[in-house]
Amino acid sequence: GAGVSQTPSNKVTEKGKYVELRCDPISGHTALYWYRQSLGQGPEFLIYFQGTGAADDSGLPNDRFFAVRPEGSVSTLKIQRTERGDSAVYLCASSKQTGWGTDTQYFGPGTRLTVL
Amino acid sequence: DQQVKQNSPSLSVQEGRISILNCDYTNSMFDYFLWYKKYPAEGPTFLISISSIKDKNEDGRFTVFLNKSAKHLSLHIVPSQPGDSAVYFCAASAYSQGGSEKLVFGKGTKLTVNP
Repeated sequence: GAGVSQTPSNKVTEKGKYVELRCDPISGHTALYWYRQSLGQGPEFLIYFQGTGAADDSGLPNDRFFAVRPEGSVSTLKIQRTERGDSAVYLCASSKQTGWGTDTQYFGPGTRLTVL
Repeated sequence: DQQVKQNSPSLSVQEGRISILNCDYTNSMFDYFLWYKKYPAEGPTFLISISSIKDKNEDGRFTVFLNKSAKHLSLHIVPSQPGDSAVYFCAASAYSQGGSEKLVFGKGTKLTVNP
């Protein structure tokens, strides 16, 4: 497809377990962002990749959260020792990053994570 | 401390009338503003944006107005249609660490357009 895809669409896990969430950005988009949306809130920034490198990880809440983008395309968000407070919709967005002004970010459908 | 605020959690309008959604921000470093529309179980869909060097941007039925001195922007939808019923998020960005254009979102306004 032409849009941002995310898998799985839903993930239910138990407290303390490890989870991986995958994002496949729009082809040709060099910038990739992860956001987290809790119930009743707007999306909150987690991390930004320019190519393969995490250029801004200032939004990661703690060291249980980690993300990679080894080949500059697909990205994986990894959460260790999950806690109930991690339950949220995790959104991925990508943009062209043309360098000319601000580029529109296009979002995927999200992964709904539920930690029991 | 919310940098982007949407003070109306919900708005209800009649089909054919104008919908006006409001957004306020506190960070004067923001230089780009966007509106996203979100349906249940879907990701946010980009609607319209405006740079801080402009005060108005129009795209079909959608117009965004920016008042920098008041740190306020609004989205006008004319005429409103039932298919416009969704949650609308206001977002702002400022160039920051590592070239990040991370977005700061408001909490959203749920718009209901009644037939």
